[in-house]
Amino acid sequence: DTGVSQDPRHKITKRGQNVTFRCDPISEHNRLYWYRQTLGQGPEFLTYFQNEAQLEKSRLLSDRFSAERPKGSFSTLEIQRTEQGDSAMYLCASREGGYTGELFFGEGSRLTVL
Amino acid sequence: AQSVTQLDSHVSVSEGTPVLLRCNYSSSYSPSLFWYVQHPNKGLQLLLKYTSAATLVKGINGFEAEFKKSETSFHLTKPSAHMSDAAEYFCVVSPNTGGFKTIFGAGTRLFVKA
Repeated sequence: DTGVSQDPRHKITKRGQNVTFRCDPISEHNRLYWYRQTLGQGPEFLTYFQNEAQLEKSRLLSDRFSAERPKGSFSTLEIQRTEQGDSAMYLCASREGGYTGELFFGEGSRLTVL
Repeated sequence: AQSVTQLDSHVSVSEGTPVLLRCNYSSSYSPSLFWYVQHPNKGLQLLLKYTSAATLVKGINGFEAEFKKSETSFHLTKPSAHMSDAAEYFCVVSPNTGGFKTIFGAGTRLFVKA
C-alpha cells in the first residue's frame, strides 16, 4: 500500500459546473477526513467519516458540497454549481484507530474555478 | 470546543541558530497535539505528536516540543536550523474524547537564511 491517493490532482472548471474528487485511504484505516486549504492558510476541516458513517460536517460544507464513503472504503467529495470561492486544495487524510493516531495525507486535489 | 493558535505567521532564523515556533491551544477535553510540516508543493508530514505520555516529545529531523498544560502551549523547537527546514509548520489539536474534529492552526512559515 503506497498511502492515501487522491484523484484528480488538478481540476480546472468553469463556474457553475459540478466536480467530484476521489480519495482512496490506506486500506486498514477506518477514519477518513476531508480538508480544504487555501493559499497561505492551514487546512480547514470539512467532514469526517468513521467507516461509512459521516459523523461530522463543518459549517463550511454548504449544501452544494456532499461527501460519501460507500462501504467504508474510498470516499468522494462532490461540489455542485462551483463558485470561484471554491478554488482551493482539497486534502484527504486517513487515520487508523483512535484520535491519537497520525493523520496520513494525500497529495491533494487542486481545484481552479474560472 | 477546541481551537489552536499559532502565534507567529512568519519566523526567520539564520542557519545554525535555534528555532522556536509557538502554539497555544484550547480544548474542552484532554487533547492530543501534533506538529506537521509542509514543504512547497509537497504533502503534509507528521513531525511529532503528544498523546498524554511524556510531556517532552521528540520528533524527526531534530525537532522537539514540550506540552505545558498550565500554559496551554505546545511550542516546537530545534537547537540548530538547517536550510532544509524552510517550510510551513502546522500545530494540530485532536480531542481524546468527544468530538471528531482535528483542527489545524493557520501555520507558521519558517525562513532559514544562509
